[in-house]
Amino acid sequence: DAGVTQSPTHLIKTRGQQVTLRCSPISGHKSVSWYQQVLGQGPQFIFQYYEKEERGRGNFPDRFSARQFPNYSSELNVNALLLGDSALYLCASSLWGGSSYNEQFFGPGTRLTVL
Amino acid sequence: RKEVEQDPGPFNVPEGATVAFNCTYSNSASQSFFWYRQDCRKEPKLLMSVYSSGNEDGRFTAQLNRASQYISLLIRDSKLSDSATYLCVVRGNRDDKIIFGKGTRLHILP
Repeated sequence: DAGVTQSPTHLIKTRGQQVTLRCSPISGHKSVSWYQQVLGQGPQFIFQYYEKEERGRGNFPDRFSARQFPNYSSELNVNALLLGDSALYLCASSLWGGSSYNEQFFGPGTRLTVL
Repeated sequence: RKEVEQDPGPFNVPEGATVAFNCTYSNSASQSFFWYRQDCRKEPKLLMSVYSSGNEDGRFTAQLNRASQYISLLIRDSKLSDSATYLCVVRGNRDDKIIFGKGTRLHILP
């Protein structure tokens, strides 16, 4: 069975540009979360979506937005890119996003470089 | 105080030795605790959940101390393949927030 897939794997953008990252969860998983991982740091929570609704948001500016589609895939959009947005963006899927934790399975990530 | 704190290491440990990591958390209302493993340039993978009574999975033992607000991971008889970064993960009192520590780097030496 396919795991979590993300595209593209690598991306190079310049300051001020906009970027869209894509994630397909494991089949049957309805919850998708996005994380930013800067080199040498742990992943930082950006968003969680469940059943196409935002269920949680981390401490990121409004330049970051996301959505989940009826097939449970998700997109993360970042506008007005800054050098500091350079990072590995990880998508994680889980069965549901309710009050009980269930294991999150991570995709391989998209490595974004902002020049 | 940071929400989740870990010693970044690196821990350089000879093969076969026992190594232990601690992780402290600031929110006393935190509900769930986990250890993830991340290999270089790879995605994190769940190593084990941490239960109040402590739990063991082969060479790995995880413990939770709610009074002192820390969790620990013990690796016995370490293998070269244990070399990785170990991430402490705490789920807050809101079901939408999962917090990762910065990770502890472990190098097992032959």
